[in-house]
Amino acid sequence: DAKTTQPPSMDCAEGRAANLPCNHSTISGNEYVYWYRQIHSQGPQYIIHGLKNNETNEMASLIITEDRKSSTLILPHATLRDTAVYYCIAPTTDSWGKLQFGAGTQVVVTP
Amino acid sequence: ETGVTQSPTHLIKTRGQQVTLRCSSQSGHNTVSWYQQALGQGPQFIFQYYREEENGRGNFPPRFSGLQFPNYSSELNVNALELDDSALYLCASSLLGASSGANVLTFGAGSRLTVL
Repeated sequence: DAKTTQPPSMDCAEGRAANLPCNHSTISGNEYVYWYRQIHSQGPQYIIHGLKNNETNEMASLIITEDRKSSTLILPHATLRDTAVYYCIAPTTDSWGKLQFGAGTQVVVTP
Repeated sequence: ETGVTQSPTHLIKTRGQQVTLRCSSQSGHNTVSWYQQALGQGPQFIFQYYREEENGRGNFPPRFSGLQFPNYSSELNVNALELDDSALYLCASSLLGASSGANVLTFGAGSRLTVL
């Protein structure tokens, strides 16, 4: 898997956008970037993934730089329920189901 | 569409004992992966099963073993339990060969094992 680097923590005010950065400078051309989150005492939850183009779903948006060396997960209107650890992962194409989780970013949404 | 269910949710064992954890995959999924998550750390990949055979293994000793059944449910067995085996054990299922090609896992809530 490509090594990913994320800030250990960040705070966000409720109702504001949360922008979570991730560096993956060693990513290969055919490796996707995936984001998962883990709310305390629950299993990780898939959020979104992308290859080259920006992606959006009902949970979040993913912005990938043109050189693919970094990406940003955007939670458009953070709620208290978005408080969680967010993991950015870039698995190799032959590592189906074998994700390497780092330490992630602890996001705390405050009222 | 049912999600991934794991049992038991909590259990306590003593050092040297054996434990079996169970997982029911999400409907339509054919691959099961198991992860160990120690307190304060990210999940660590243990192994994966596809077509009832182990299909990849992380850095875990042989006393960690598993099974996948024809209905795609799975078991994780740990023998000769050690204190450091205390952790949250997560099961995840996915569909290998999905048309999207996406490596999207659906995780269960986990089984929390305490070894005394």
